[in-house]
Amino acid sequence: EAGVAQSPRYKIIEKRQSVAFWCNPISGHATLYWYQQILGQGPKLLIQFQNNGVVDDSQLPKDRFSAERLKGVDSTLKIQPAKLEDSAVYLCASSLRQKQETQYFGPGTRLLVL
Amino acid sequence: AQSVTQLDSHVSVSEGTPVLLRCNYSSSYSPSLFWYVQHPNKGLQLLLKYTSAATLVKGINGFEAEFKKSETSFHLTKPSAHMSDAAEYFCVVNLYNFNKFYFGSGTKLNVKP
Repeated sequence: EAGVAQSPRYKIIEKRQSVAFWCNPISGHATLYWYQQILGQGPKLLIQFQNNGVVDDSQLPKDRFSAERLKGVDSTLKIQPAKLEDSAVYLCASSLRQKQETQYFGPGTRLLVL
Repeated sequence: AQSVTQLDSHVSVSEGTPVLLRCNYSSSYSPSLFWYVQHPNKGLQLLLKYTSAATLVKGINGFEAEFKKSETSFHLTKPSAHMSDAAEYFCVVNLYNFNKFYFGSGTKLNVKP
């Protein structure tokens, strides 16, 4: 079974530029999560989708971050414009359903904002 | 409100000695609890999870954790550390009737030869 795929693996941009990350969850997984992991901290949930609907985006900085999951499969996370403090690893995870389900994580995208 | 606290940011053990990684949670509801491991430049991998069945949970690679409601703890243990166990470990809490996962700040395990 293929795991969660993410691209790119690494990205370096200058502040005020825009960047987009892509995630392909495990086939058949209805729930998709985006996390931000700042160096030295645990992952923080940014947004959660159930199929193509948003379940929770309470910690997403909506003035600069956006995410979509059209067709309920792949998802993209965008930052525009980027700030220095956005430097982090962006993790995508998926699970079969919602409650209590095990989340399967992708390898992450490491973003450096200069 | 809920949160999860990992009491040690770094733990160092010698190969072959026991491992104890501590996790405490605060929750007004019965939680489900997870331990994930993250090796350098690798994705997070589930070690084990507790979801209100047996309080002693066995996971992969010889790890186990015990849910103690009275102490609000979910400590991770392994009888004998192996060099390959060196990684960062995250305790995660989730409420039953909500689906918000909260990660602890992580514990880096160093295994000395």
